[in-house]
Amino acid sequence: DTGVSQNPRHKITKRGQNVTFRCDPISEHNRLYWYRQTLGQGPEFLTYFQNEAQLEKSRLLSDRFSAERPKGSFSTLEIQRTEQGDSAMYLCASSPPDAAVNEQFFGPGTRLTVL
Amino acid sequence: AQSVAQPEDQVNVAEGNPLTVKCTYSVSGNPYLFWYVQYPNRGLQFLLKYITGDNLVKGSYGFEAEFNKSQTSFHLKKPSALVSDSALYFCAVRTRMDSSYKLIFGSGTRLLVRP
Repeated sequence: DTGVSQNPRHKITKRGQNVTFRCDPISEHNRLYWYRQTLGQGPEFLTYFQNEAQLEKSRLLSDRFSAERPKGSFSTLEIQRTEQGDSAMYLCASSPPDAAVNEQFFGPGTRLTVL
Repeated sequence: AQSVAQPEDQVNVAEGNPLTVKCTYSVSGNPYLFWYVQYPNRGLQFLLKYITGDNLVKGSYGFEAEFNKSQTSFHLKKPSALVSDSALYFCAVRTRMDSSYKLIFGSGTRLLVRP
């Protein structure tokens, strides 16, 4: 399978715990995006990487959230001190270098439930 | 600010009948427009896009969409619906001025095709 993969697919945690999600983009895709989707809503942009550089962060990304893409390949999204409001589907997407005219390819998502 | 509106939470149609899922957008500058479909427990799948050129674009699974600049709309259509088309559909926009190429999504429209 050469699509975008995300792990874990589901995560249940208690309020106050830290969680980390991983995204493996399609190889040779230098652009990587994280989105968050809550029930009944469309995905909302969180952050964007071009290669290893994090070039844009949404105001939705509070200081409890941090994302990395250390070698320009896979990316991690960490949420510290989780809150019940963090419960959502976290989607990762990637796109090739000529991204201006190309669509983004999405992974299956990680569903986070904070108890 | 960029935004996308999908005015219908749900669209119901009988199998074999034509379907339309509505989308309007608000952006500064020229838009790039996309339609994605989401099946349960799966990521977003790309259907079609408008970048430039012909206002009628054709995509996967027999879907098409018409870009109307004066009405700022990009409605999704299919001449003959299938039960298997039942899913959640998202319209998304980005602008050429945004170097991150992040997508702004609508809230989604659930399509229910009855046999």
